[in-house]
Amino acid sequence: DQQVKQNSPSLSVQEGRISILNCDYTNSMFDYFLWYKKYPAEGPTFLISISSIKDKNEDGRFTVFLNKSAKHLSLHIVPSQPGDSAVYFCAASALQGGSEKLVFGKGTKLTVNP
Amino acid sequence: DSGVTQTPKHLITATGQRVTLRCSPRSGDLSVYWYQQSLDQGLQFLIQYYNGEERAKGNILERFSAQQFPDLHSELNLSSLELGDSALYFCASSVDSRVHIQYFGAGTRLSVL
Repeated sequence: DQQVKQNSPSLSVQEGRISILNCDYTNSMFDYFLWYKKYPAEGPTFLISISSIKDKNEDGRFTVFLNKSAKHLSLHIVPSQPGDSAVYFCAASALQGGSEKLVFGKGTKLTVNP
Repeated sequence: DSGVTQTPKHLITATGQRVTLRCSPRSGDLSVYWYQQSLDQGLQFLIQYYNGEERAKGNILERFSAQQFPDLHSELNLSSLELGDSALYFCASSVDSRVHIQYFGAGTRLSVL
C-alpha cells in the first residue's frame, strides 16, 4: 500500500521554463511534506518542506503547493536550470510513537535541457 | 556535504554471507535512520535509533539488525544474504526524533552475487 505516490517517473523541460513535479498521498495524518533532490552516487538532499497547516512555501526558485482536500502537493521550479536535473523524491512525515516517520515516493527524474 | 558519513561506499559479497554497514551521523544529531532503496523503488524505512535505543521499526527483515553505539554511530548488520538484498542502503540523521527533516549520507551500494 503506497501512501505517497509520484505517478510520473520522468519529466523533461527546457532550460528557463517551469518544472512542475507532482505527488499524491493517502494518509490524512501526515503533518509535514518534504521534497528531496538526489544526484547519482549521492544521498538525497533536503530541498524544501511545508507544514500541513500551510498551502504554500517558497524558497528562491522552488515553491511547494499543498492541496489538502485533494491530498496533493506539487513542487514548482522556476526558472529551471540544467543543474536541477536530478531525481526528486516527495516525502511525507507523520508522528508515530513519539518519532517523526518519513514515507517516500518512488521519485521523478527531472531532465532540464539546455 | 550533509555531514553524514557512510562506509563502505560499495560492497560486493556472495549469497549466505553477512555484512556490516556503518554510519556516522552529523555532529550533534541523536537520531539515526536506515533506509533501503531497491531498483526503481522509493526509500523504504528500515529502523530508527535515538540516543542508543531503538525507537521505530519499519519493513526490516529478521535477518537484518542494527544498533547505535555510545558515540552515536550506527551499524546495520545484514546476514544470510540473498540476491534480493542487493540495493542501496542509506543512513540519515536528525537532531532528535521529533524533527521532520532528515539528512542523508551518500549510501552504501550492496551487491549480492
